[in-house]
Amino acid sequence: QITLKESGPTLVKPTQTLTLTCSFSEFSLSTRGVGVGWIRQTPGKALEWLALIYWDDDKLYSPSLKSRLTITKDTSKNQVVLTMTNMDPVDTATYYCARRRPRTDVSFDYWGQGTLVTVSS
Amino acid sequence: SYVLTQPPSVSVAPGQTARITCGANNIAGKSVHWYQQQPGQAPVLVVHDDSDRPSGIPERFSGSNSGNTATLTISRVEAGDEADYYCQVWDGSSEEVVFGGGTKLTVL
Repeated sequence: QITLKESGPTLVKPTQTLTLTCSFSEFSLSTRGVGVGWIRQTPGKALEWLALIYWDDDKLYSPSLKSRLTITKDTSKNQVVLTMTNMDPVDTATYYCARRRPRTDVSFDYWGQGTLVTVSS
Repeated sequence: SYVLTQPPSVSVAPGQTARITCGANNIAGKSVHWYQQQPGQAPVLVVHDDSDRPSGIPERFSGSNSGNTATLTISRVEAGDEADYYCQVWDGSSEEVVFGGGTKLTVL
């Protein structure tokens, strides 16, 4: 059964850099067509896509946040890491990682449970 | 960037049919995906590529996409269908994933 799980700090201070790790099982990021993305959801609001990384190390970022985001993968550990610089209270949100459904248009078929990150001094 | 517009809320009585729309310019030219999100839970993909259902999703969930509007239809609505629903597309021109603002489905 495919699972994903996010981990990282629950509280960061303004201007700090957030590092989140997505650990997944039962699929490999070395398999052609596979991708893992990050999506966030501010309290009471809609979903916002952040970044996506593919098996071939191709990386895509939200245009509005591109300058602050970096996504990397460690295929041997089945992990994807997202860093977001210069955190602000408006970045307080639940952050999800999700598997991109392979070999079709971009959608996300398996999601982690999400991790709530609060930005506050 | 590409904008997807959903009604904030839709209400329906149990047993009736709910229709949740997702509007955008020529959305029929894109594949639309739909997610259900129960309170406090992660989103679940219920329809992908306009009208296909992932394994395990009831046949009551269906989708269509034409012109400037995509629609998620839930037949024979149950109390357990009460949730937020989001549409999503891939915008190839800007290379970004776009989500709609979400629709809260209330079962009366």
